[in-house]
Amino acid sequence: EAQVTQNPRYLITVTGKKLTVTCSQNMNHEYMSWYRQDPGLGLRQIYYSMNVEVTDKGDVPEGYKVSRKEKRNFPLILESPSPNQTSLYFCASRTLAGNTQYFGPGTRLTVL
Amino acid sequence: QQQVKQSPQSLIVQKGGISIINCAYENTAFDYFPWYQQFPGKGPALLIAIRPDVSEKKEGRFTISFNKSAKQFSLHIMDSQPGDSATYFCAARGNNDMRFGAGTRLTVKP
Repeated sequence: EAQVTQNPRYLITVTGKKLTVTCSQNMNHEYMSWYRQDPGLGLRQIYYSMNVEVTDKGDVPEGYKVSRKEKRNFPLILESPSPNQTSLYFCASRTLAGNTQYFGPGTRLTVL
Repeated sequence: QQQVKQSPQSLIVQKGGISIINCAYENTAFDYFPWYQQFPGKGPALLIAIRPDVSEKKEGRFTISFNKSAKQFSLHIMDSQPGDSATYFCAARGNNDMRFGAGTRLTVKP
């Protein structure tokens, strides 16, 4: 089944404790991105990648890092999480030429 | 700043009625306008999309109306059903940049 998977689905952590949210897609998509969803703000793009070893900042990249060492994986790294990063995070992928973006199921992160 | 403005924030419609959600954008470089549907606990899923060279696109009960000169587009859900209850996001894409509206929570009452 074609899908985008994220892990973990739920995470509660404390300020300053480094964490990684994994994202993997099995559709051989070149383009992958991370969004955060907050009430009243919709989805805002954090980072995106157009291919292996190519990443770029989205609207709200501060406090986040990403890497794209393999085509299928695009982890989101919070080196020193803060409470304002409490949010619902979505990973998404598509082909470079395609329009349909496929979203993962989301990761709900709470930073205390 | 929000480059795509969506209204209303929430909408309650009776079963069988028409649901209308509106969006406005600023950047004339946007060239693809999708609508996403999101159910609780799930990621957004593409519902319907339009390019600016057409003024309307219909897929079943869902229609996008697009007004390029006004930089506005809207989603119409005909014969709304309780199963349509979800959050709807409009979006606009230019280059590799996808901007989303804030979302509309639709409730269809039986």
